[in-house]
Amino acid sequence: AQKVTQAQTEISVVEKEDVTLDCVYETRDTTYYLFWYKQPPSGELVFLIRRNSFDEQNEISGRYSWNFQKSTSSFNFTITASQVVDSAVYFCALRNQAGTALIFGKGTTLSVSS
Amino acid sequence: EPEVTQTPSHQVTQMGQEVILRCVPISNHLYFYWYRQILGQKVEFLVSFYNNEISEKSEIFDDQFSVERPDGSNFTLKIRSTKLEDSAMYFCASSEFVQANQPQHFGDGTRLSIL
Repeated sequence: AQKVTQAQTEISVVEKEDVTLDCVYETRDTTYYLFWYKQPPSGELVFLIRRNSFDEQNEISGRYSWNFQKSTSSFNFTITASQVVDSAVYFCALRNQAGTALIFGKGTTLSVSS
Repeated sequence: EPEVTQTPSHQVTQMGQEVILRCVPISNHLYFYWYRQILGQKVEFLVSFYNNEISEKSEIFDDQFSVERPDGSNFTLKIRSTKLEDSAMYFCASSEFVQANQPQHFGDGTRLSIL
């Protein structure tokens, strides 16, 4: 069975704090892909990053970084020096090699206050 | 940057009525998807579509639902006889290729409210 767990329902931070959003996944496939999407208050889903199961290199893009650890089935997302505009719901998603569906976690609501 | 466009942004319908949600995928994309998000809950896969056929569908996508690509640009989701529990945000998505590493690009969604 495939499953994505985002244990943190809501996180509140003050601007300039670093924050890490956790994502744990379950799959029996050896080849799979992980994604992060952002859903701002306006409601659209914005693609942020993709990671392949065979590539465990961490990635940094500006203030965003992602830590993929196959050993713990985790794909965590860190925002450094958070800003008010980072306030959104963040979804982690999994897709197996064979299927077409994205399996989403329940999302983490991040609130950044000034 | 190319976008997936969905219309209308908000649809209010009486229970039992038919509703059609419309999507214009990114123009060079060949694979299309519908998802739904009940208020405050996670995004759930409904159906994927390629070459005028359903590729995969979830348990949610029962006989009340259908999809169609009526012309070269539109992709529609029809709900035949709406129920209260169909109230949700419906997202259309598209991808250029079907490979699992390809990101699916989402539209802004249609909020469907069933009265």
